Amino acid sequence: SQQGEEDPQALSIQEGENATMNCSYKTSINNLQWYRQNSGRGLVHLILIRSNEREKHSGRLRVTLDTSKKSSSLLITASRAADTASYFCATDPRTSGSRLTFGEGTQLTVNP
Amino acid sequence: KAGVTQTPRYLIKTRGQQVTLSCSPISGHRSVSWYQQTPGQGLQFLFEYFSETQRNKGNFPGRFSGRQFSNSRSEMNVSTLELGDSALYLCASSLQGRSGYTFGSGTRLTVV
Repeated sequence: SQQGEEDPQALSIQEGENATMNCSYKTSINNLQWYRQNSGRGLVHLILIRSNEREKHSGRLRVTLDTSKKSSSLLITASRAADTASYFCATDPRTSGSRLTFGEGTQLTVNP
Repeated sequence: KAGVTQTPRYLIKTRGQQVTLSCSPISGHRSVSWYQQTPGQGLQFLFEYFSETQRNKGNFPGRFSGRQFSNSRSEMNVSTLELGDSALYLCASSLQGRSGYTFGSGTRLTVV
């Protein structure tokens, strides 16, 4: 079963707008990671945030982590049509060894 | 450097048959994990190998097995295929596990 829940399940925006996706999880974690997937292809690692970090930036991506609420958000600024993809959060739980538990994903569509 | 290579890309098998999927990790990466992705269950962890040893296992029946060779290449095997085994099988490699993973493009298995 999936540990994470992502919100919204689908998001449609115009190019240039910002996109925010949220992820909630249930257990203590070592880190939380965000991945992108284009049309059923492989996953591309976007960013990793450790449990002792609160915010991290990478280019147009900004990730926040609130371990007290067991939630994270991914913000993509100035979106482009090429950002159209499914986005997944994945947690590396403390108790489960070296594995990732994925959320259900958010399908982002950026309209030109 | 070369990415994670999964072969074959597509596979069609008949119920009851068995199948072997291959994954070559990034050179120097010792951790290889396998995931199953289906529309109904999402991304689910199958198992992880590190230095030829299975280090972690997901909640899948014994029909799903894997191994890792001394060069870190990994194979997974599914015996007595069922229709529900139709999925995208993704392999991920990392240096030690517990960090960002690099995923292959996946093998899409269809069981008819």
